Amino acid sequence: QSVLTQPPSVSGAPGQRVTISCTGSSSNIGAGYNVHWYQQLPGTAPKLLIYVNNNRPSGVPDRFSGSKSGTSASLAITGLQAEDEADYYCQSYDRGLSGSVFGGGTKLTVL
Amino acid sequence: EVQLVESGGGSVKPGRSLRLSCAASGFTFDDYAMHWVRQAPGKGLQWVSGVSWDSVGIYYADSVKGRFTISRDNAKNSLYLQMNSLRAEDTALYYCIKGGNSGLKSHFAYWGQGTLVTVSS
Repeated sequence: QSVLTQPPSVSGAPGQRVTISCTGSSSNIGAGYNVHWYQQLPGTAPKLLIYVNNNRPSGVPDRFSGSKSGTSASLAITGLQAEDEADYYCQSYDRGLSGSVFGGGTKLTVL
Repeated sequence: EVQLVESGGGSVKPGRSLRLSCAASGFTFDDYAMHWVRQAPGKGLQWVSGVSWDSVGIYYADSVKGRFTISRDNAKNSLYLQMNSLRAEDTALYYCIKGGNSGLKSHFAYWGQGTLVTVSS
């Protein structure tokens, strides 16, 4: 059971918009800690996708965006492309655990 | 270009020890916190441990506390993870990670390719 809760899977057709939720608690996201998102393409190491809630590292397309509100956060992907098919993970810090925590991951399928 | 190269993984029996190493380059190593994150086969990501730039701050996941020890050598641009009393559930790909610019609570900016640890009798 992950500390942060994500849907196991989402899907969408090319060109569509999908969102992935990340639900935490008052010990992590709700305590004001930032949320970060990672993309893991099949057979590769995870890559930073969004940091500090809504910031994109250099090279990440603006089709990817993040938001945070209360005890939850969301990753939105617009203009879905086949190459977006991957696993996505949210991450934050938990003050009760005194460490970083991840969501269980969401598998995105592009139909 | 940031490079993180892990080594030291392998196959060991339960109860034995293993030491992972991570050679870092392409950035000022002693400016950043560093972490280890693992991923069991077919499973999600699990944060294992983190160390601040000056080794003053060190944190562990409950699942490894008392068995694993993280350390760093800033003179050698290297990160280590000493793993003792290994269990089958420690079997995973272990990633070396460069933290962001906000200390131990920051994001995981760069990931190595990982080193595989298999614990089996």
